[in-house]
Amino acid sequence: GQNIDQPTEMTATEGAIVQINCTYQTSGFNGLFWYQQHAGEAPTFLSYNVLDGLEEKGRFSSFLSRSKGYSYLLLKELQMKDSASYLCAVRDSNYQLIWGAGTKLIIKP
Amino acid sequence: NAGVTQTPKFRVLKTGQSMTLLCAQDMNHEYMYWYRQDPGMGLRLIHYSVGEGTTAKGEVPDGYNVSRLKKQNFLLGLESAAPSQTSVYFCASSPGQWDTGELFFGEGSRLTVL
Repeated sequence: GQNIDQPTEMTATEGAIVQINCTYQTSGFNGLFWYQQHAGEAPTFLSYNVLDGLEEKGRFSSFLSRSKGYSYLLLKELQMKDSASYLCAVRDSNYQLIWGAGTKLIIKP
Repeated sequence: NAGVTQTPKFRVLKTGQSMTLLCAQDMNHEYMYWYRQDPGMGLRLIHYSVGEGTTAKGEVPDGYNVSRLKKQNFLLGLESAAPSQTSVYFCASSPGQWDTGELFFGEGSRLTVL
């Protein structure tokens, strides 16, 4: 079966760095996505990785290792507004998105 | 910019009642999707459409029907609501599957079935 695993909840301190991991087992691979979802709101796109390596976008970076079925989202200089759930999703061989359950990130002052 | 708009935002139904959720997008996107989101679970695809007049089943299609008569609209229907359909429903759209695949989501519709 297809599976996306990510931690349920993480806590970090304002101004610090946090890494949210995602491991996947899917039927084929056509890209990995990270979305941010604030409580009670819609998910919004953060990043897309299809090749191995690190993609940097401001305070957020996303890394992919296809051979290991592994990705992480790195958030630097954490701000209170970064408190949200972070969703990992993989596009499989049929170009369907398989979603993880999300990681709830709590930022403490 | 409206983007993706869902109506209604909230609805309470009794078991056996029917209803329709409307999704409208103004980005001229080809692809549209209906997802449900339940606590502790990832987004699950109910139905999707790759263009006007076409629909296809997703991961959890039972109990739902959809129609895409106009490119900008994607309707999700519940013919006979059940408590198991209590959920938050998200509509999303994308230009097509050959791009990065970024999805644009509506604000969500919270449905409670008693």
